[in-house]
Amino acid sequence: DAGVIQSPRHEVTEMGQEVTLRCKPISGHNSLFWYRQTMMRGLELLIYFNNNVPIDDSGMPEDRFSAKMPNASFSTLKIQPSEPRDSAVYFCASIASGSRDTQYFGPGTRLTVL
Amino acid sequence: SQQGEEDPQALSIQEGENATMNCSYKTSINNLQWYRQNSGRGLVHLILIRSNEREKHSGRLRVTLDTSKKSSSLLITASRAADTASYFCATSGYGNKLVFGAGTILRVKS
Repeated sequence: DAGVIQSPRHEVTEMGQEVTLRCKPISGHNSLFWYRQTMMRGLELLIYFNNNVPIDDSGMPEDRFSAKMPNASFSTLKIQPSEPRDSAVYFCASIASGSRDTQYFGPGTRLTVL
Repeated sequence: SQQGEEDPQALSIQEGENATMNCSYKTSINNLQWYRQNSGRGLVHLILIRSNEREKHSGRLRVTLDTSKKSSSLLITASRAADTASYFCATSGYGNKLVFGAGTILRVKS
């Protein structure tokens, strides 16, 4: 199993540009989570999906952030327009639906907004 | 806001020594999990302890849970240089959402 796949691994962009981060969960996992990690705020849950439906987006910082899960094998997190304070490592994780057990994390996307 | 709070924030020990990290949380939980994160990598699950369990072992790892004190500890015995990483506790309540603590940075010197 390839595990959770994220792309790109690194992204450098300029303020105001649109950024799209991608995630492919582990096959058969029905829940997907997007996290953001910074030194100041630690690891924060942004949004999670069950069976492709957003369940809790209370962690999404503002309207500039949006996430979609068009099918069970793909999700995107979009920031438009990006700002320097969005610089962070963004992780995707997946889990079998209804399970409260192990979350499997991807390698992360390191985003730098100049 | 984060529920789990780890203590200490950073720990430096010699190879072969034991490392103990503590985690406190605020609300009722279904289970508590510990994850490890190596520099520049994603988090990796280490061990899960359910709310009705008090202690659990996995290899060199020992986790305890005291629900009356809302606290947990992770003990790594006979530490190795490869154990150098950040360690996070995460609590699961209702639903499958995890809330992570701020983490403990462990450095094992060889």
